[in-house]
Amino acid sequence: KAGVTQTPRYLIKTRGQQVTLSCSPISGHRSVSWYQQTPGQGLQFLFEYFSETQRNKGNFPGRFSGRQFSNSRSEMNVSTLELGDSALYLCASSFGAGGSYEQYFGPGTRLTVT
Amino acid sequence: AQSVAQPEDQVNVAEGNPLTVKCTYSVSGNPYLFWYVQYPNRGLQFLLKYITGDNLVKGSYGFEAEFNKSQTSFHLKKPSALVSDSALYFCAVRAPVGGGSQGNLIFGKGTKLSVKP
Repeated sequence: KAGVTQTPRYLIKTRGQQVTLSCSPISGHRSVSWYQQTPGQGLQFLFEYFSETQRNKGNFPGRFSGRQFSNSRSEMNVSTLELGDSALYLCASSFGAGGSYEQYFGPGTRLTVT
Repeated sequence: AQSVAQPEDQVNVAEGNPLTVKCTYSVSGNPYLFWYVQYPNRGLQFLLKYITGDNLVKGSYGFEAEFNKSQTSFHLKKPSALVSDSALYFCAVRAPVGGGSQGNLIFGKGTKLSVKP
């Protein structure tokens, strides 16, 4: 099976702009989660989608939003970018939501905000 | 609130020696525990998980982890380290939904493992 894919892999944006990141889960996986990884804060949970519904949301401002499509692909949007949004954004998919299901991660999108 | 602690920022081991990467957790209820590894410029790779049952869990690449309920620990181990094991290791915990938990995965800060030849 193909793994989790994320596009684009690298992105450079200017403060105030918005950005959309895309994630294609492993075939058959219906849950997609998003994480922000930074050297200072580590891995922080953004949100989780299951069957097109947001199931969980982390402590991030409303500028961060996401959605999931009927084919389980997911997008994450960040509006009004700030310098502090520079990070590696990781998408992970799993067969089910929560519980004992392990997550499989994509390679990430490296976002740099200047 | 649930939390995960990895007390060591870095662990240095000589190739061929056993390695241990420590993890302790705090959750309400019975936890689901996971270990992931991250190589440079890559996403995280799943190594192993504990759900219930046998306290010793075996995973990928010869890694295993021991669940200790009384010490609330889930240390990652390998009998003989390889240079190629050098990477960043993350412990993660998920509490059952309810009691203030939304059931999402909480990661530790990570431990950098360095294996020298």
